[in-house]
Amino acid sequence: AQSVSQHNHHVILSEAASLELGCNYSYGGTVNLFWYVQYPGQHLQLLLKYFSGDPLVKGIKGFEAEFIKSKFSFNLRKPSVQWSDTAEYFCAVNAHQGGKLIFGQGTELSVKP
Amino acid sequence: DAGVIQSPRHEVTEMGQEVTLRCKPISGHNSLFWYRQTMMRGLELLIYFNNNVPIDDSGMPEDRFSAKMPNASFSTLKIQPSEPRDSAVYFCASSFPAASYEQYFGPGTRLTVT
Repeated sequence: AQSVSQHNHHVILSEAASLELGCNYSYGGTVNLFWYVQYPGQHLQLLLKYFSGDPLVKGIKGFEAEFIKSKFSFNLRKPSVQWSDTAEYFCAVNAHQGGKLIFGQGTELSVKP
Repeated sequence: DAGVIQSPRHEVTEMGQEVTLRCKPISGHNSLFWYRQTMMRGLELLIYFNNNVPIDDSGMPEDRFSAKMPNASFSTLKIQPSEPRDSAVYFCASSFPAASYEQYFGPGTRLTVT
């Protein structure tokens, strides 16, 4: 069965530190990849997505992610985090099976001011 | 567009009572998903519909849970009878798979069963 694994359960950073959140998936075919963010008390919102083309995808709020097909990875990065980035981050994969997304377990990011 | 609409936003009920959660997907979206989120289990897909037809209900916890989508603009998730362990935030999401598979989430319903 397809699965998505996020390496870190909880990440704590100071403001201005660089961020990289890991995401690996298990599916050998064509995939669409997503990162969602959930701010405290809110619903999930799309941060960025990859369908095809340039494997380096830029999203909102300075986030970017790189798709490395050979590693089945789609890691999220941000060069300098802010306190307002404190949230939970979910990686998701669609393996072209009726629109269903497979979500990772989520990574909670806490940014200290 | 108003986005995905869910009601109620908060529900507090006593164990044994019936609970009905409602969702209106984004107009034109033909896929609808119900998720449950808890601290212990994270985000779980309960059931999803394509063109009003249930496609995968393998995530529905047990027979106490049921979901319907009578038309393209409305879906319900019912719990009968409710139990304290059903306390969670329930999210509805919709998408238009032929376009992007991107799911748009509603604000959620926070359910507390006492």
